[in-house]
Amino acid sequence: IAGITQAPTSQILAAGRRMTLRCTQDMRHNAMYWYRQDLGLGLRLIHYSNTAGTTGKGEVPDGYSVSRANTDDFPLTLASAVPSQTSVYFCASSAFGGSSTGELFFGEGSRLTVL
Amino acid sequence: GNSVTQMEGPVTLSEEAFLTINCTYTATGYPSLFWYVQYPGEGLQLLLKATKADDKGSNKGFEATYRKETTSFHLEKGSVQVSDSAVYFCALSASMTGYALNFGKGTSLLVTP
Repeated sequence: IAGITQAPTSQILAAGRRMTLRCTQDMRHNAMYWYRQDLGLGLRLIHYSNTAGTTGKGEVPDGYSVSRANTDDFPLTLASAVPSQTSVYFCASSAFGGSSTGELFFGEGSRLTVL
Repeated sequence: GNSVTQMEGPVTLSEEAFLTINCTYTATGYPSLFWYVQYPGEGLQLLLKATKADDKGSNKGFEATYRKETTSFHLEKGSVQVSDSAVYFCALSASMTGYALNFGKGTSLLVTP
């Protein structure tokens, strides 16, 4: 089934450790995104990439980095995790141009707990 | 940048009741508007969308009309079911971050039998 795959599904991490959340899509979408979801705050954009080789900062980029070496993969790295990064992380993708209406397709999420 | 404000929940309704979840937006230009739904333990999935003023999006009995004059995109359903219990997010195309969407904070809906 086509879609977005995120890994890991869930992770508990000690503060100060480095962590990479993986995201792969097989829809050949141009754009990819990372959001975090926190109770009472909704979804907030961390980083985005409109095409392979380019990335941009969203609303809450501090403490996170991304790369987009190819169309399919968009990993999110926490260089030195802190407890405030405890959250559920969602990767998403979208096509644009042509008949696209801008819909985002989401993965199932990665629940990260930083202790 | 573009933003949405949606009513806070939780909203609790009895089965077959009428549902309205309010959403208003602030935007430059003419953004596309969306409603997403999140069932427990799952990612978000598109419920409906509208791309221009006066468009009505509809799906699974839910409807929302893009009202430019009131900058609103309220979600409605005439008769809710227990299976509609979920969190609903209003969203619009962001103006400053490529093709990303900006989301509201979400409204939790619980439908009781």
